[in-house]
Amino acid sequence: GENVEQHPSTLSVQEGDSAVIKCTYSDSASNYFPWYKQELGKGPQLIIDIRSNVGEKKDQRIAVTLNKTAKHFSLHITETQPEDSAVYFCAAGGNDMRFGAGTRLTVKP
Amino acid sequence: EAGVAQSPRYKIIEKRQSVAFWCNPISGHATLYWYQQILGQGPKLLIQFQNNGVVDDSQLPKDRFSAERLKGVDSTLKIQPAKLEDSAVYLCASSLEPPTQKYFGPGTRLTVL
Repeated sequence: GENVEQHPSTLSVQEGDSAVIKCTYSDSASNYFPWYKQELGKGPQLIIDIRSNVGEKKDQRIAVTLNKTAKHFSLHITETQPEDSAVYFCAAGGNDMRFGAGTRLTVKP
Repeated sequence: EAGVAQSPRYKIIEKRQSVAFWCNPISGHATLYWYQQILGQGPKLLIQFQNNGVVDDSQLPKDRFSAERLKGVDSTLKIQPAKLEDSAVYLCASSLEPPTQKYFGPGTRLTVL
């Protein structure tokens, strides 16, 4: 089955800086790569996703890149704000989806 | 659009007791998932339903966990008997069909003493 590794486990940035979170996956058949944001006491919420036929996708301050050959994908957040502070999860798969262990992002004002 | 509803939000039980969680997915979503999220980890899939049929329950500890989705709408997840290591947040999610956007409920935080 799919195995997803996520780095770093914690990330602290200054407000206005960029944040990058990276994930690798093992199953070359995986074709869907979502990113979720989880705030304290809430369920994960989808913030952006990408499919295997696309190399990059952007939505305002958030972008995701996918390298299928290397089996890795990354989340980029630009101009970070304190409200971006949360735990971020990557996931990979198709019908069978696996999550990374999460990255706790702290944005310091 | 109403989101995924779960109840209860919190539950504290002693080991060897039984517990049940309830989930109401978004209307029209055929696929329903139960995840277990242990503190500091990502969600782990326990079971996936497509309508009222089980698609994947390979990671469900079937000696103590059971789940059903009668009539293809609401679902219940039961643990009997509970162990200390079952302490976690149990998340329900739904989607129109895999692999598309999953909508997660707020989760039920279970503490087993």
